[in-house]
Amino acid sequence: GEDVEQSLFLSVREGDSSVINCTYTDSSSTYLYWYKQEPGAGLQLLTYIFSNMDMKQDQRLTVLLNKKDKHLSLRIADTQTGDSAIYFCAENAKGSQGNLIFGKGTKLSVKP
Amino acid sequence: DSGVTQTPKHLITATGQRVTLRCSPRSGDLSVYWYQQSLDQGLQFLIQYYNGEERAKGNILERFSAQQFPDLHSELNLSSLELGDSALYFCASSVVGQGGGYTFGSGTRLTVV
Repeated sequence: GEDVEQSLFLSVREGDSSVINCTYTDSSSTYLYWYKQEPGAGLQLLTYIFSNMDMKQDQRLTVLLNKKDKHLSLRIADTQTGDSAIYFCAENAKGSQGNLIFGKGTKLSVKP
Repeated sequence: DSGVTQTPKHLITATGQRVTLRCSPRSGDLSVYWYQQSLDQGLQFLIQYYNGEERAKGNILERFSAQQFPDLHSELNLSSLELGDSALYFCASSVVGQGGGYTFGSGTRLTVV
């Protein structure tokens, strides 16, 4: 079945870059997503990448996709305390009828 | 405000009871999805509706059911509640066929005591 895996925790210092990694299983996924969840809030779509792309940049966010290894990463440049949140990777696996399958989330802590 | 409205925000109820969670999708979105978020299981897809019809089912228990009404709002009904049903329940909506992902509501926190 489909599975999306992420490390559970990441701690960085303010101003450093953060890199959150994710592996997925369904090579037929058309899109891969990164969502952010702040305490007490819903999930907010940060960015997504089409499966025929290797990289997508959006301001401080860079998404890298290695389709061969089924590896997705999110790099946040110049990480700020406001970036502290849980980050979820998701794929729209065909086996799940196109519905999003989420990883368990990576909790990013940014220390001043 | 994401445009997806969920009510109530918090719900506390006893075991064995039944509750209804409500979701209004973002204007123009025909698809509604329900997810359950718990600490141990993460985000689990429950069910999807598209324009009033059930489109896909995930890990939804038989004690749970949902529907989408002609005005496109959706309700998730949870019955014979157990302690383990305590979780955050999220609704999301999308325009089906778009790759742009889902828009999530802020969730309903259900506590079963």
